[in-house]
Formats: sequence, structure tokens, C-alpha cells
Amino acid sequence: EAGVTQSPTHLIKTRGQQVTLRCSPISGHTSVYWYQQALGLGLQFLLWYDEGEERNRGNFPPRFSGRQFPNYSSELNVNALELEDSALYLCASSRNIEQYFGPGTRLTVT
Amino acid sequence: GENVEQHPSTLSVQEGDSAVIKCTYSDSASNYFPWYKQELGKRPQLIIDIRSNVGEKKDQRIAVTLNKTAKHFSLHITETQPEDSAVYFCAASNSGTYKYIFGTGTRLKVLA
Repeated sequence: EAGVTQSPTHLIKTRGQQVTLRCSPISGHTSVYWYQQALGLGLQFLLWYDEGEERNRGNFPPRFSGRQFPNYSSELNVNALELEDSALYLCASSRNIEQYFGPGTRLTVT
Repeated sequence: GENVEQHPSTLSVQEGDSAVIKCTYSDSASNYFPWYKQELGKRPQLIIDIRSNVGEKKDQRIAVTLNKTAKHFSLHITETQPEDSAVYFCAASNSGTYKYIFGTGTRLKVLA
């Protein structure tokens, strides 16, 4: 069974730019979660999508948004990038409550 | 608000010794508690989980205990090996929101 995949692996952006990160869940999983892991910190919950709908949102500003497609893959969009957005962005998928993580996208904002 | 505290932040043990990591959660509605292991540069891997209807679960050298009254749960690793060295994260969730609240992580170093 293929695991959760994410693209790109690494990304360097400038302050004020916009970025789109992508996630493909494990086959059969309908839920996708996004987390931010800043250097040396824990995982902060960003967004949860299930069956194409946003189900829950963490304590992040509206410039963090996303969507889930009919094939259950998902995008995370971040507008007006700030230096503190530099982090590893992890996607996880689930069919029930157990979440399985992708390898992450490392975003550096300069 | 919802919060999970995790201790210690770093832990060094000799190979073969046991390691214990403790977490405390605030949301009394939490009923699912997973533990993840994250090696350097790799994705978090689910290593064990426990649901609120049991007090203990064991899988070979790792075990998790849950005290719902005190709202805390712990990860126990016995006979530690160098490959156990990693950052371990606890989390709490409830089957209503499926939202995970993670602890801040414990960096475990197993010294050979």
C-alpha cells in the first residue's frame, strides 16, 4: 500500500509571495489533515478536510487555506508569506481516527 | 483551550535501560491517544495508540498506559536500543472532531 505523498519536497519563497503545497492520501482514505511543524517545535493543527469539505480549522490566520478534490487529494495555500511561515508542512490522511503522515514539504521564506 | 503537555523535553538513557515519557491532556472529551516517532528528517510514524476504554496496551518493547481520571498517559519503552533514538510525540483526540492536539515532543537519545 502506497503511503501519503507530498510535493514539492522543498520550497524557497520570498516574503509576500504565495505558495501551494500538495498532498495525496493513502488509497481509501477520505480525510486529509494539514499540520505545521516549525523548527524545534511540535505539530500545530492547521486544517482538516473530509469528503471535500473543510471540517475543522486550527488557530491560523485566513491566509492559510486549502481544498480537497474529488479524488481526496488536497492543496494547502498560503498567501502573503511571512518569515515565520518557514516550517515543515505535514499532511496526514485517515479512514478512521488513525492518521498517517506524509514526508512533508519544507518551506523556507526569505 | 485544548492543551497537551509532554515531559521531559529531552531524555538520555543507556542502551538496555527503560524510557518513560509522560503526557497530560486538558480536554476531558479526548478518547484516543496516539504516539508518534519521528526520526531526523523523516515523517512521524504511528507506533502505538490507546483508546479511552482500556488502561494499558502493549506491543513488544513499547507500552502505553492511560489514567483517564488524572488525564494523563505515558509511553514506556523497555530494553532501549540505539535505533529508538528519535523525537516522540504524544497526541490527544476525540472521535467527534478527529482533531489531534500534539505534545511538544521528547527527544530520546539511547547511548550505546
